[in-house]
Amino acid sequence: GAGVSQSPSNKVTEKGKDVELRCDPISGHTALYWYRQSLGQGLEFLIYFQGNSAPDKSGLPSDRFSAERTGGSVSTLTIQRTQQEDSAVYLCASSLEGGRLYGYTFGSGTRLTVV
Amino acid sequence: ILNVEQSPQSLHVQEGDSTNFTCSFPSSNFYALHWYRWETAKSPEALFVMTLNGDEKKKGRISATLNTKEGYSYLYIKGSQPEDSATYLCARNTGNQFYFGTGTSLTVIP
Repeated sequence: GAGVSQSPSNKVTEKGKDVELRCDPISGHTALYWYRQSLGQGLEFLIYFQGNSAPDKSGLPSDRFSAERTGGSVSTLTIQRTQQEDSAVYLCASSLEGGRLYGYTFGSGTRLTVV
Repeated sequence: ILNVEQSPQSLHVQEGDSTNFTCSFPSSNFYALHWYRWETAKSPEALFVMTLNGDEKKKGRISATLNTKEGYSYLYIKGSQPEDSATYLCARNTGNQFYFGTGTSLTVIP
């Protein structure tokens, strides 16, 4: 596609439920990132996929969070047993070469609200 | 933790005013500094990527400078317009990972 696509754009869920957030990166971009921004906070790195390498999961805040990237393209971020502190905007971004020189292309995000 | 600090946190200016804000970061292990502009309900948009000490980049009325030795970057907006209202994010890259600041929220009052 022309840009990075995320779905859903908004999600309201009850505490304790599982949610799945989807990201379709730009075709051909080998690197894919997940970030989140909680209210009043900066962008927080969650996980990074680069080609066929093992993902960098160092930013995942707890074992309730997991992500996969199938076929080197679409990625799904799963949050199990959601808590109110999981409420945030979850952003996905992709890049050609890890983003060092050309930066990322971001999706418009999924706003997750846990009630 | 390689903290990126941005100041001020928010800023209100009158249309036509020029303004600037700051991104500061640890100067060690520097690779690149990125500026993004994030409008509400839209995707963050890349503005500049700077890698060399003394770099200056310009895009229309927006420009940025970089000092890697002292660890700061300035973003300048000349003759602010209401459409410049957004959050401006800077991010320090040390390899494959970016460390973002919390952003400066700019509101331009018509």
